[in-house]
Amino acid sequence: DIQMTQSPSSLSASVGDRVTITCRASQSISSYLNWYQQKPGKAPKLLIYAASSLQSGVPSRFSGSGSGTDFTLTISSLQPEDFATYYCQQSYSTPPAFGQGTKLEIK
Amino acid sequence: QVQLQQSGPGLVKPSQTLSLTCAISGDSVSSNSAAWNWIRQSPSRGLEWLGRTYYRSKWYNDYAVSVKSRITINPDTSKNQFSLQLNSVTPEDTAVYYCARELAAAAEGDYFDYWGQGTLVTVSS
Repeated sequence: DIQMTQSPSSLSASVGDRVTITCRASQSISSYLNWYQQKPGKAPKLLIYAASSLQSGVPSRFSGSGSGTDFTLTISSLQPEDFATYYCQQSYSTPPAFGQGTKLEIK
Repeated sequence: QVQLQQSGPGLVKPSQTLSLTCAISGDSVSSNSAAWNWIRQSPSRGLEWLGRTYYRSKWYNDYAVSVKSRITINPDTSKNQFSLQLNSVTPEDTAVYYCARELAAAAEGDYFDYWGQGTLVTVSS
């Protein structure tokens, strides 16, 4: 099975900051990488699919990049509603697997 | 707009069967371009995929190895819903359980684009 590792596990930042979250796969997954945002008590929400495609309705300050084993999620200018936990997920092979999450907190 | 509505008990006794249902609106459980999944989340295991059911000229199921001997996911075409049964539960099965649609997007890969509201299931006597 493919393992997904995110870094950092937590991150403190301020409104307006640019932040980057990294996700690494245990083997090459081409561009079959998705990103989700989860707020407390809510289901995860799809932000980015296929490594860099923005899901409909998601603000353009979110972007994704990478291929192979290394991927990044970037938020260009943090807004108050962006403080949440972010997960990557590989869809290259079954079973689909999630990273352990990155909790983005207000500094 | 696709909506997934979960139902089922929030408390299950050890050794008994956990049963949840996910009702679909805005899509069909028999869709040839979607799979219908169960995913759970706990502090110790994070987001853990449990399994899926999908229709591609016939019905298929995939299950996580960790629960393969205990899990059944069934579609119900008459009610446009699917269900999860997890047998012989222990306290380690305590988690928030989600149903989710997985869109099969061909060259772009698959992704979970719609989720149920989540059900906290506690395994305790």
